[in-house]
Amino acid sequence: QKEVEQNSGPLSVPEGAIASLNCTYSDRGSQSFFWYRQYSGKSPELIMSIYSNGDKEDGRFTAQLNKASQYVSLLIRDSQPSDSATYLCAVKPGNNRKLIWGLGTSLAVNP
Amino acid sequence: KAGVTQTPRYLIKTRGQQVTLSCSPISGHRSVSWYQQTPGQGLQFLFEYFSETQRNKGNFPGRFSGRQFSNSRSEMNVSTLELGDSALYLCASSLTENYGYTFGSGTRLTVV
Repeated sequence: QKEVEQNSGPLSVPEGAIASLNCTYSDRGSQSFFWYRQYSGKSPELIMSIYSNGDKEDGRFTAQLNKASQYVSLLIRDSQPSDSATYLCAVKPGNNRKLIWGLGTSLAVNP
Repeated sequence: KAGVTQTPRYLIKTRGQQVTLSCSPISGHRSVSWYQQTPGQGLQFLFEYFSETQRNKGNFPGRFSGRQFSNSRSEMNVSTLELGDSALYLCASSLTENYGYTFGSGTRLTVV
């Protein structure tokens, strides 16, 4: 079992729809969870961080964390073509341990 | 506020040579990590430094080394370059290990 798993996609949604991206992780002691967006040829960009169970909203983005089920998700409301990118999930297992990355989910928002 | 600065942006080297890449983190950030990214591959972790101490190391051969200075600036070195070392090398900094990283633009290394 991979430490952090994401569906590779591509996930295709129409403009204006809600895009739902999921990530599961294996280490129950994980403490910090991050979502990054990476456009082709660019560096990853942090868009959301979440540390406790529940939802965290920032603009059109909502991160959801469920530690009991060991998953974290990212919802993008009112998806725009500019949201088309690869979304990377990263999990911090604990102090002094390295950040673990998923391979990313490719999102395509169609006009 | 200046972001993470990586130099150089592009580099072409010959097999067998060595290379040093530089990273200046965001002011006040003490944690610096390095990653290798190749087409079709995920982010491959190289090193993590915090206050000049290497905290974690990835599964790369000993040809890959790094260090962090007292001003938090970091360098990584690759000796005896191989064609397979051609990649985008990314540096990221963070306030502490539990905060999210900010990435630099990367150094694109081509080994010929």
